Amino acid sequence: TQLLEQSPQFLSIQEGENLTVYCNSSSVFSSLQWYRQEPGEGPVLLVTVVTGGEVKKLKRLTFQFGDARKDSSLHITAAQPGDTGLYLCAGESGAGGTSYGKLTFGQGTILTVHP
Amino acid sequence: DARVTQTPRDKVTEMGQEVTMRCQPILGHNTVFWYRQTMMQGLELLAYFRNRAPLDDSGMPKDRFSAEMPDATLATLKIQPSEPRDSAVYFCASGFRYAQYFGPGTRLTVT
Repeated sequence: TQLLEQSPQFLSIQEGENLTVYCNSSSVFSSLQWYRQEPGEGPVLLVTVVTGGEVKKLKRLTFQFGDARKDSSLHITAAQPGDTGLYLCAGESGAGGTSYGKLTFGQGTILTVHP
Repeated sequence: DARVTQTPRDKVTEMGQEVTMRCQPILGHNTVFWYRQTMMQGLELLAYFRNRAPLDDSGMPKDRFSAEMPDATLATLKIQPSEPRDSAVYFCASGFRYAQYFGPGTRLTVT
């Protein structure tokens, strides 16, 4: 079973601070996805990274896939209260065939940004 | 805009009763997933379908859970009989490789 360890589990910061969430595994993933979930709703896809070393930016969010495709990070610059939510990383293990698209999710990071 | 819909949104039932959850995936998506989310276990994959064919249901307790996709517009997850430990939020998602779109979930409480 492939596991994804997310850290930290909880993060409580003030508006304007920067933060980084980590997602680590001993397994290689063919792709890594990040989702954000708000209370009472389903997760919403933020980004997918596919290539080792890949960096993607989404406004104040920067996502990086590790060179060995075993880890990923999400960095938020100048956090805002609207960034509050549960952040989930999810790895796809299958290189092809029937298992592609099947995701293993990390436990999540609950981020609270105080005004 | 296109969304995954799930019904019911909330379900409270007594232990031993049958529960059926329904999902309408986004038209054109070829893969449909069922997940369960709890505080303790997080988000767990129960089953998924590609082009309506079941690919993997290894995450489901086989004796009481069943998942089907009778047509391209409907996926169902059934629990019979339900148990208190089944209390969770159940999500349906549809999509392709590299992107899944989640519905709002069904919050199931089994008393």
